[in-house]
Amino acid sequence: GENVEQHPSTLSVQEGDSAVIKCTYSDSASNYFPWYKQELGKGPQLIIDIRSNVGEKKDQRIAVTLNKTAKHFSLHITETQPEDSAVYFCAASGSDMRFGAGTRLTVKP
Amino acid sequence: DVKVTQSSRYLVKRTGEKVFLECVQDMDHENMFWYRQDPGLGLRLIYFSYDVKMKEKGDIPEGYSVSREKKERFSLILESASTNQTSMYLCASSYGTGVGLEQYFGPGTRLTVT
Repeated sequence: GENVEQHPSTLSVQEGDSAVIKCTYSDSASNYFPWYKQELGKGPQLIIDIRSNVGEKKDQRIAVTLNKTAKHFSLHITETQPEDSAVYFCAASGSDMRFGAGTRLTVKP
Repeated sequence: DVKVTQSSRYLVKRTGEKVFLECVQDMDHENMFWYRQDPGLGLRLIYFSYDVKMKEKGDIPEGYSVSREKKERFSLILESASTNQTSMYLCASSYGTGVGLEQYFGPGTRLTVT
């Protein structure tokens, strides 16, 4: 089955800096890669996703890149703000959806 | 907006008690899921359902059962709660068939078993 590894587990940046979170997956049949943001006391919420026929996708300050050959995908957040502080999860979906262990991002003002 | 609600935000139960966690979604989604979330382990799938009265085991079904009598409601049952089931439980739903479907999550239930 699918195995998803996510790094780093914690990330601390200054407000205005960029943040990058990386994930690798094992199942070459995976074709859907969502990213979720979980704020304190809430359930995960989808922030961006990418499908295997696309290499990069942007939505304002967030972007996701996918390298199918290397089986890795990354979340990029530019111009970080304190409200970006949360736990971020990547996931890979083929026959089923598997989640990474999560990255706790802290943006210091 | 899709809304997924869970019956309790916090729950404290004693070892051996039978525990019911309820999840309701209001968008007529076919698929519903129960995960548990533990630090450093991410989200692990307990059970899922693709239709009413249908259920499939996920990665960690031991000690749990589920019920889906109506399309909008998916219940997770701990037949005899144990301390190692202390965790955050998340319900999710998605629309359609096949793979690659966005999942919508509820706010979670933090269960403590003493």
